[in-house]
Amino acid sequence: EVQLVESGGGLVQPGGSLRLSCAASGFIFSSYSMNWVRQAPGKGLEWISYISSDRSMRYYADSVKGRFTISRDNGKNSLYLQMDSLRAEDTALYYCARAYCGGDCHYYYYGMDVWGQGTTVTVSS
Amino acid sequence: QSVLTQPPSVSGAPGQRVTISCTGSSSNIGAGFDVHWYQQLPGTAPKLLIYNNNNRPSGVPDRFSGSRSATSASLAITGLQAEDEADYYCQSYDSSLSGYVFGTGTQVTV
Repeated sequence: EVQLVESGGGLVQPGGSLRLSCAASGFIFSSYSMNWVRQAPGKGLEWISYISSDRSMRYYADSVKGRFTISRDNGKNSLYLQMDSLRAEDTALYYCARAYCGGDCHYYYYGMDVWGQGTTVTVSS
Repeated sequence: QSVLTQPPSVSGAPGQRVTISCTGSSSNIGAGFDVHWYQQLPGTAPKLLIYNNNNRPSGVPDRFSGSRSATSASLAITGLQAEDEADYYCQSYDSSLSGYVFGTGTQVTV
């Protein structure tokens, strides 16, 4: 079964750090680009970061650029998100999602076909 | 604030057809970037419903269809069922923001 399982969320004070993990199984992780997407309580979806299968390309939303770092370990079938300088507005449910396109596509044309269940990050004093 | 605008809510009776619009601009849908649609049932993760404008992943009923034109896209649901009650989001790429963008989301009520 194709599966993504996030972990590492929790309560952290403003200015603090947290590292999220996403464990992949049931597919060849090293062949797929991956994303992090978050959803604030009662709000819509917000894409925050992308990493290519070989780690050569990494992109970030402006809201997290310079504070968050995406990485992956293909040997461990794992995706990570290092979150520093956390703010109250980073409070959200964080999902990892597999990039997908119905063919040989450029990054611009990817959707997201497999999602984890999410891990909750709360930034509060 | 999302650059892809959707109606906050749409509703329909069982068996009816509803459509959800996703309005963008020349830096995203109008630039030719593909549109994807997701269904999010209450308390669950999003699920890919339509990819690359008008393709359904295996297992998605053919009651769901997508289309794209100019600077907008649409998701149509025919034969509306109670289990279709969910939030729906469109997603594309935006060249001005250099990243993916999601629509504002639409709640469907049956």
